[in-house]
Amino acid sequence: QVHLVESGGGVVQPGGSLRLSCAASGFTFTTYALHWVRQAPGKGLEWVAYISNDGTNTYYPDSVKGRFTISRDKSKSTVFLQMDSLRTEDTATYYCARETDNSGYFHFDYWGQGTPATVSS
Amino acid sequence: QVVLTQSPSASASLGASVKLTCSLSSEHSTYAIAWHQQQPEKGPRFLMRLDSDGRHTKGDGVSDRFSGSSSGTERYLTISSLQSDDEADYYCQTWATGVWVFGGGTKLTVL
Repeated sequence: QVHLVESGGGVVQPGGSLRLSCAASGFTFTTYALHWVRQAPGKGLEWVAYISNDGTNTYYPDSVKGRFTISRDKSKSTVFLQMDSLRTEDTATYYCARETDNSGYFHFDYWGQGTPATVSS
Repeated sequence: QVVLTQSPSASASLGASVKLTCSLSSEHSTYAIAWHQQQPEKGPRFLMRLDSDGRHTKGDGVSDRFSGSSSGTERYLTISSLQSDDEADYYCQTWATGVWVFGGGTKLTVL
């Protein structure tokens, strides 16, 4: 079965960096696009990064563009989120999500359990 | 930019049915969406993809008590025979080129 396991969260000061990892298993890693989605405490879901199945295309919302970088390593079946210049408003639980391979659709069909990141002085 | 609007809260009694609504911005009436469930202290779970014509495809292991329907810019999630573990937050999600969007979520309370 499909598993997505996030790690790398923690506490960091404003202006600092964190690198999150998401280890994937149970499916052919190179077939699927992957995303990162975050949820601030008590708030809703916010999409923060996309990477295509082959790693050649990435997208970000304006809220993180230029500060966050998504990447993937097919040899490790792992997707990463490098978060730099962190702000207090980046405090959230970060989820990895798989995008469906159904042609014409782009929703998320599997999610991880999340890793918390706290930005605080 | 596509916008999804959900009521913040809903409630229904154990064993009853409830219909949650996700409203698309007016110019996006042909868009498909997905519904996700998030139980307390857990990661989200994909429930179903829902097309503008009401066709829906459920995720692995999703109960037959969950169904979807559509009308114009409205996308619905109906949960029948409510159980206590249906108490959760429900999010709708859609997409456009280079952007993925969530509704604000509806917190469902099972009375």
